[in-house]
Amino acid sequence: KQEVTQIPAALSVPEGENLVLNCSFTDSAIYNLQWFRQDPGKGLTSLLLIQSSQREQTSGRLNASLDKSSGRSTLYIAASQPGDSATYLCAVGLTGGGNKLTFGTGTQLKVEL
Amino acid sequence: DAGVIQSPRHEVTEMGQEVTLRCKPISGHNSLFWYRQTMMRGLELLIYFNNNVPIDDSGMPEDRFSAKMPNASFSTLKIQPSEPRDSAVYFCASSRQQNTGELFFGEGSRLTVL
Repeated sequence: KQEVTQIPAALSVPEGENLVLNCSFTDSAIYNLQWFRQDPGKGLTSLLLIQSSQREQTSGRLNASLDKSSGRSTLYIAASQPGDSATYLCAVGLTGGGNKLTFGTGTQLKVEL
Repeated sequence: DAGVIQSPRHEVTEMGQEVTLRCKPISGHNSLFWYRQTMMRGLELLIYFNNNVPIDDSGMPEDRFSAKMPNASFSTLKIQPSEPRDSAVYFCASSRQQNTGELFFGEGSRLTVL
């Protein structure tokens, strides 16, 4: 059974800092990995989708990397802003399971002024 | 695009009552997913449909839960009878393709069963 772990569970940083969120998964036979953002009381917003054949994806200040062999992904946020405060979740889809995603428990990020 | 639309946003009901949650996926998306989120268990997939056909319902907790997708633009998740442990936020999500598509979530339906 796929297990997805995110470290740290919570993170507080000053505005402007670059930061890295970590995601690890136990079964490397993944089809894709997605990073999501969830604001309080809201649904999930997809940030980046990495297919298993890719190593990284970038969108603006966000960069996500994927290392299937080691079962790890990182989400790098450059020049953090208070508006980045949210819970960040990673989710993996297993080969043959596609978008049947297994979610991590998330990292709650607070960016302070 | 209107995004995934869910209703109701909030529902408070008493134990034993029937609850129906509704979802309208993004037009053109052919896969639909129902997830449940709780503090204790995080996000769990309940069931997903591809081209209106249920593909995997192994996450449905028990027979009290049922889901339907009568057409490409509408799905329901029904709980009958409801129990306090069903209290959670229920999310509907859709994607253009079953295996490779980006997943788009609705705002969720927060259910409280007293």
